[in-house]
This record gives sequence, structure tokens and C-alpha cells, in this order.
Amino acid sequence: QSVLTQPPSVSAAPGQKVTISCSGSSSNIGNNYVSWYQQLPGTAPKLLIYENNKRPSGIPDRFSGSKSGTSATLGITGLQTGDEADYYCGTWDSSLSAEGVVFGGGTKLTVL
Amino acid sequence: QITLKESGPTLVKPTQTLTLTCTFSGFSLSTSGVGVGWIRQPPGKALEWLALIYWNDDKRYSPSLKSRLTITKDTSKNQVVLTMTNMDPVDTATYYCAHGITMVQGVIITDAFDIWGQGTMVTVSS
Repeated sequence: QSVLTQPPSVSAAPGQKVTISCSGSSSNIGNNYVSWYQQLPGTAPKLLIYENNKRPSGIPDRFSGSKSGTSATLGITGLQTGDEADYYCGTWDSSLSAEGVVFGGGTKLTVL
Repeated sequence: QITLKESGPTLVKPTQTLTLTCTFSGFSLSTSGVGVGWIRQPPGKALEWLALIYWNDDKRYSPSLKSRLTITKDTSKNQVVLTMTNMDPVDTATYYCAHGITMVQGVIITDAFDIWGQGTMVTVSS
């Protein structure tokens, strides 16, 4: 059971837009930055978004992030077949009893 | 250019202790604000954070695994070592080390990992 909640799967057609949600609490998303990762089959996770909405160098602007309260959203526009992957959200949890990094359960994106 | 690479045994027996080494380049763990973490992923399952170590030797552990984990650093060798005791088949996973994006604002917070190693698969079986 992951601390952050993501939908298990989402799907959309090539060229369309998709959003992936990530829900947490005040001890994690509510008071800390959110990051997003893309994991292509058989590869290590790759950072897509950090500090809620910033993209590392080389990440196309088709990928965007936002946060509101205790939830965050990853948006992907102009879907490509190469975007088929698992996507994870992550953040810091500031709970006194559980301080540390937390991840979501992951969302599998299918590009139909 | 920052790179990290994990190394260690591919197979361990139940109850044994696992020792993994992360060898990195492109940054120094003696530089203020730098942190390196370990994350694992069982086959077909989600990412799970394990531990973090910082430039000042401060350490953080996953609450659920804290009693079994030890993270250390060797700054001169650019290495971070993770040990996990009493291994069980449920610990079978790919283990990653990663460079953290760390903020220091009274407290130390790492809310993202920007560069990851390729991962090393560890199987726990008798």
C-alpha cells in the first residue's frame, strides 16, 4: 500500500492529452514539492518533473506538472507511442514518525 | 555529468545480509547539500524508498525497514554502501541508487531524484 495514491492505469489515443493524478496528505504533498518519473519497460526511472512543475533539461514541454492542496497532476500532451510507460509521483513526507521519501503506486499509460 | 552504478550480489540466501555498493561520479558527497538515496522495485511492483545519506553524514531510513538497514559513505572512493540484514524472498527486487535534489532550510529534505543508476537485480532464494 503506497502512501501516495495514483490510478493504476490510464489510456488515450496518439496525439491526445492525458492526465495522471497523485493524491496524498498534508504531511507530504500538502507541504512539500512533488516530482514525477517515467519508467520505460526494463529501464530505470527517469525524472520528468520536479518542484511541482519544473522540467529537467531535455524533457519536452509536452510534459507538465501542477499541484493543488494535497493532490498533484501530471499532464502529457501530444501523446506518442513512445510515451507508453509507468509513471510515478514522489515527494517528501514530513511526518515525525515516518519522515522520508514516498512514492505513488504507479500508473501504467497505454497509448491506444 | 553525473553517473551512478550499483554493484553487489545477484543472489542471496534467506536470513543473509545484503551489501550493495553505489559508485558515483560527477559530484562529491563532501559538498554541502548533496544526498544519495537507495530505492528498490520488486518485479512488477512500485518503487519503494529505502534510505538516504547526506554530505554531513545525516541519514534517513524507511520507517518500515529501519531496523534492517544501514547506509554509509566513503567520500574518498565516491561510494555509498547499503546493508540490509535478514533478507527474505519478499526482498527480491531491483535496487537503485540515485542522486537526490536536496533542500536545506533548517531541515534537510530530498523531494526528488534526478539521476538514477541502472539498477541491480537481487534475488533472495535458498
